[in-house]
Amino acid sequence: GAGVSQSPSNKVTEKGKDVELRCDPISGHTALYWYRQSLGQGLEFLIYFQGNSAPDKSGLPSDRFSAERTGGSVSTLTIQRTQQEDSAVYLCASRPTDRGPSGELFFGEGSRLTVL
Amino acid sequence: GQNIDQPTEMTATEGAIVQINCTYQTSGFNGLFWYQQHAGEAPTFLSYNVLDGLEEKGRFSSFLSRSKGYSYLLLKELQMKDSASYLCAVRDTGGFKTIFGAGTRLFVKA
Repeated sequence: GAGVSQSPSNKVTEKGKDVELRCDPISGHTALYWYRQSLGQGLEFLIYFQGNSAPDKSGLPSDRFSAERTGGSVSTLTIQRTQQEDSAVYLCASRPTDRGPSGELFFGEGSRLTVL
Repeated sequence: GQNIDQPTEMTATEGAIVQINCTYQTSGFNGLFWYQQHAGEAPTFLSYNVLDGLEEKGRFSSFLSRSKGYSYLLLKELQMKDSASYLCAVRDTGGFKTIFGAGTRLFVKA
């Protein structure tokens, strides 16, 4: 696609429910990232994918969070038993290759999650 | 540990020049990025520095001093549309993990 696509753009859920957030990166981009941005805060690194594997899962806040990527393309971030502190905008970004001298991140519009 | 510091907010006047500073302490370094983020929108790439010195791109310039762990973003001829958050980000030595600062909210007034 022309840009990074995320869905849903907005999600309101009740505490304790599970949610799935989807990211469709720019075609051909092998590196994919998930970040979380709470209101008025910077971007918190969650996880990075190189192809289908995730070399670094250190940013996931708890075991309620998981992510997968299939076919080297679409990624899904799953939050189980959501808590109110999970409320944030979840941003996905992609990059043409996993490393290199420059290579900025291309961000999607984000999925705004509200846990009531 | 990883730490990136930027001022929380700045205000400047249309047509003026503003400098947004960023200091960082990270376990590794493989480049520093500046991104612009308008309210409710995705961050967009502004600049990249990996060597010491100044990189200029139109009205925007970015400076890096690796020995001091310091960078700044310079915006010239400010326009109202420059009102946004400016995020400083550092990529680690491995070349993939990019850590962001909390961002600086810039308000441009007439």
